[in-house]
This record gives sequence, C-alpha cells and structure tokens, in this order.
Amino acid sequence: NAGVTQTPKFQVLKTGQSMTLQCAQDMNHEYMSWYRQDPGMGLRLIHYSVGAGITDQGEVPNGYNVSRSTTEDFPLRLLSAAPSQTSVYFCASSYSSGTGSDEQYFGPGTRLTVT
Amino acid sequence: GENVEQHPSTLSVQEGDSAVIKCTYSDSASNYFPWYKQELGKRPQLIIDIRSNVGEKKDQRIAVTLNKTAKHFSLHITETQPEDSAVYFCAAQAYSGAGSYQLTFGKGTKLSVIP
Repeated sequence: NAGVTQTPKFQVLKTGQSMTLQCAQDMNHEYMSWYRQDPGMGLRLIHYSVGAGITDQGEVPNGYNVSRSTTEDFPLRLLSAAPSQTSVYFCASSYSSGTGSDEQYFGPGTRLTVT
Repeated sequence: GENVEQHPSTLSVQEGDSAVIKCTYSDSASNYFPWYKQELGKRPQLIIDIRSNVGEKKDQRIAVTLNKTAKHFSLHITETQPEDSAVYFCAAQAYSGAGSYQLTFGKGTKLSVIP
C-alpha cells in the first residue's frame, strides 16, 4: 500500500492564481481531512469528509473548497491564492470505526508559497 | 469548538533524563487523545494514543496519562535519546455522531535531547 499520497510536493503561486492540491489514499478509509501547518500554530483543520459525497468545514475553511467524488481522492482547491495561504498542507485519512477514536494517517505534505 | 493548550513550547533535556509535555482541552465530549511526533521536514506520525475510558497507557519508554475530570493529559518520555529530538503535538478528538469528528491539535513542543 502507498498509504496517503499528495501532489505536488512544492508549489509557488502568484496572488490570485488558483490551483488544486491532490490527495489520494489506498487504504479504503472513509474519513479524510486537510490541515494546514504554520510555524508556532500546530495543525489546523481546513475541511474534512466522512465519506464519498459528504464534506464539512473545519476550523479554517475560508478560501478553500473540497469535494469527495470517490473514497480514494480528496482534492483541496484554492480559489484565489493569497499570501496568507502560504503554508504546509497535510492530507490525512482514517478508518471510521464509529467510535471517533481512530488513528489518522498523514500524507507527506505540500509546501505552498504564495507571492 | 475544542481548544487544546500545550506546554511547554520548547523543552531541552540531557540524554537519559525524562521529558514531560502537558496538554489541556476544553470540550468534555472529546474521547480520543493522540500524540504525534514530527521530525524536521517530515509528516506527523502517531507515537501513542489514549481513549477516554483509560487513565494511563504505556509503550516502552513512552507513556500517556489522562485526567478526564481535570481535562488534561500528559506525555512522558523516559531515558531520552538524541533520536527523540523532534516536535511533539498533542490532540483531542470530539465525536459528533454519524461518523463525523474533528481532531484539534496543540501548538507543539520542540524537544531537544542534548547528548
């Protein structure tokens, strides 16, 4: 199993450009999520999905869109990039046991710089 | 929403000494408390977790304790080694039903083990 994969690893955007960060998992996990990591801020939840066709907002959703058409893929779209979105983005997935106590597996991250 | 406070933000210990990192949480509905280790430039990786029906869990040199009444939990690393140097994150997860839950992270503790 490849686990959780993310592309690209690095990206530089100009203010106002749009792009999609890709995330895929091959573990048949129902739950997938996106976090951003900024220095001194820990990881903050952007959006999450409990299954195909179902998404919800996390702590910092503004400026980002998600969709979940398949169990495997959970892309994150930046609609109009801003310097404040410069960050490292991690995708994660977990099996849903129904107890809410399931380990989340993280992808390798995407380092995004917006100039 | 959930709020997780983590202390200290930095911690330096001599090799062989113990290290303790403490976290508090605000949402009494949280029922899962994982700890992640993140080495420089790498993804967060789970090192130990504890569920709300357990007070203490140990795995070799690492232990976690949970006090639900006081809403705090701690990570204990004994006999520290240079390879323990990393950033450690605590997190709390509240389950809101229908497979929906959110993981909230502390801001991290940078542990340095001095040989």
